[in-house]
Amino acid sequence: RKEVEQDPGPFNVPEGATVAFNCTYSNSASQSFFWYRQDCRKEPKLLMSVYSSGNEDGRFTAQLNRASQYISLLIRDSKLSDSATYLCVVIRGGKLIFGQGTELSVKP
Amino acid sequence: GAVVSQHPSWVICKSGTSVKIECRSLDFQATTMFWYRQFPKQSLMLMATSNEGSKATYEQGVEKDKFLINHASLTLSTLTVTSAHPEDSSFYICTIAGGPADTQYFGPGTRLTVL
Repeated sequence: RKEVEQDPGPFNVPEGATVAFNCTYSNSASQSFFWYRQDCRKEPKLLMSVYSSGNEDGRFTAQLNRASQYISLLIRDSKLSDSATYLCVVIRGGKLIFGQGTELSVKP
Repeated sequence: GAVVSQHPSWVICKSGTSVKIECRSLDFQATTMFWYRQFPKQSLMLMATSNEGSKATYEQGVEKDKFLINHASLTLSTLTVTSAHPEDSSFYICTIAGGPADTQYFGPGTRLTVL
């Protein structure tokens, strides 16, 4: 079992749709949590950090549930430019541990 | 601007040759750099932690004699893939951690194709 698991993709949605990504992590010693975005053949870029209190950045909302070791990302009013692979990432012992990513394709 | 650079951005080589990839920290000194590998449709996997002035720490399953890491200065780490084979074809990314929040900065990656 992978330490960080994400929904298998791809997700194909129309513009304007709301999309939810789910992620679970298996090691309770995980310390910090993030969502990254990776465009095709590029390096990952930080989208947002994730906190237990939840955090929102424009159309993006992230949530962490430490008890169930679950992380989520919600994208509202999706745009064509949101098409990318979304990576769930945790830090444990100073190391980044990546989920396999969920591909999102937003269609006109 | 970029905080981390990598060179080359892509390389194609014949099987059996060695390839060196450079990772440079542009904005601050980095005593530690990390090397990741990403195969198509898979997640990034940590290969090794590069430590300035000392030996790199390799993750389980990564051959240290095949993936040579040198971190001779506070701004440069190199990864050499020795005797590369087609199965080594991958996207290699380095990262550094820095700043007040210990933010992770990613290099742009090096795409290696071994024929």
